[in-house]
Amino acid sequence: GENVEQHPSTLSVQEGDSAVIKCTYSDSASNYFPWYKQELGKGPQLIIDIRSNVGEKKDQRIAVTLNKTAKHFSLHITETQPEDSAVYFCAASRTNAGKSTFGDGTTLTVKP
Amino acid sequence: GAVVSQHPSWVICKSGTSVKIECRSLDFQATTMFWYRQFPKQSLMLMATSNEGSKATYEQGVEKDKFLINHASLTLSTLTVTSAHPEDSSFYICSATGTPNSGANVLTFGAGSRLTVL
Repeated sequence: GENVEQHPSTLSVQEGDSAVIKCTYSDSASNYFPWYKQELGKGPQLIIDIRSNVGEKKDQRIAVTLNKTAKHFSLHITETQPEDSAVYFCAASRTNAGKSTFGDGTTLTVKP
Repeated sequence: GAVVSQHPSWVICKSGTSVKIECRSLDFQATTMFWYRQFPKQSLMLMATSNEGSKATYEQGVEKDKFLINHASLTLSTLTVTSAHPEDSSFYICSATGTPNSGANVLTFGAGSRLTVL
């Protein structure tokens, strides 16, 4: 089955700096790679996703890159703000509506 | 956008009792719903996949007689934790997807239900 590894487990940055979270996956058949933000006591919220036919996608301060050959993808957050503080999960699945395998999560803390 | 509502958001029950958690898709028909369990500071662990009108598919190690899942309509799935014990205390989360043209063709998560068994 699919195995997703996520690093780092914790990340602390100063407000305004950039944050990068990396994930690797094992199943070459995976084609859909979403990133979720989870705030304390709440369910995960999709913040950005990328499909295997695209190498990079950007939405304002958030970007995701995918290297399908190397089986890794990364989340980039620029100009971080305190409200970006949360747990971020990457995931991989064969379809955008199918069963996903999640990384272990990264706790991001943005210091004002 | 697609909205998934989960109820209750938190519940406290006595050991040995059963608890039902509801997951509703509010503005789309959910052809598939997923149930997860999340322990503190850990990732989401998939428990089962539920398709409307058919039996749920449970992940390895998840007791189907312990965690009863019903997906009787295209907008509602329920998870019943039977004869709950303190070790069942956890954060339970559902997610749902709809048909490709429903506007909900990616996973939409509920807000989660915190279960505490005394």
